[in-house]
Amino acid sequence: AQRVTQPEKLLSVFKGAPVELKCNYSYSGSPELFWYVQYSRQRLQLLLRHISRESIKGFTADLNKGETSFHLKKPFAQEEDSAMYYCALSSLYGNNRLAFGKGNQVVVIP
Amino acid sequence: GAVVSQHPSWVICKSGTSVKIECRSLDFQATTMFWYRQFPKQSLMLMATSNEGSKATYEQGVEKDKFLINHASLTLSTLTVTSAHPEDSSFYICSAPPGNNQPQHFGDGTRLSIL
Repeated sequence: AQRVTQPEKLLSVFKGAPVELKCNYSYSGSPELFWYVQYSRQRLQLLLRHISRESIKGFTADLNKGETSFHLKKPFAQEEDSAMYYCALSSLYGNNRLAFGKGNQVVVIP
Repeated sequence: GAVVSQHPSWVICKSGTSVKIECRSLDFQATTMFWYRQFPKQSLMLMATSNEGSKATYEQGVEKDKFLINHASLTLSTLTVTSAHPEDSSFYICSAPPGNNQPQHFGDGTRLSIL
């Protein structure tokens, strides 16, 4: 079974402060990890994908298989980062079925 | 590119009505689409995988006779909530990957309210 855990529900940070959203997963196969973001009144959209190893909008996330984690980080939060963030997992070789974490609401305080 | 469109965006109807929600891939073909359900302040729960030209694959606990899925073409999947009741009120979201090993693109979602 695929399971994704995002412990904090709401995270408030000041503009310019670092942001870290924790994501841990449980999966017996080879996982592919994602971070999706949902801005106010917009659809869910892909932020990061672990196999791409990219930095998007200043966010990075590294897959740590030993700790089964895929934490999302940004060194300096911006107001436009206020959004809902979901960590998600699928099989690396599978059929694209996604399991989502419960999500983190990030509020960046000006 | 890779836009997924859902229709309607909001529907309110009486208990006992059947409601159809459409999910379209506008600029790509999707042999597979996915339907999710999201309760307020909760995460997305995968309901079923819609397979073009064959039966949908339902997740454990999802009633296939309640949530009918049809994927008759490479750009359209429909979810019909049959004989809807207030407990079926929720936010329904579809997604589709634009290609093999591509991440899923999501629709805007459909807010279903059953009175």
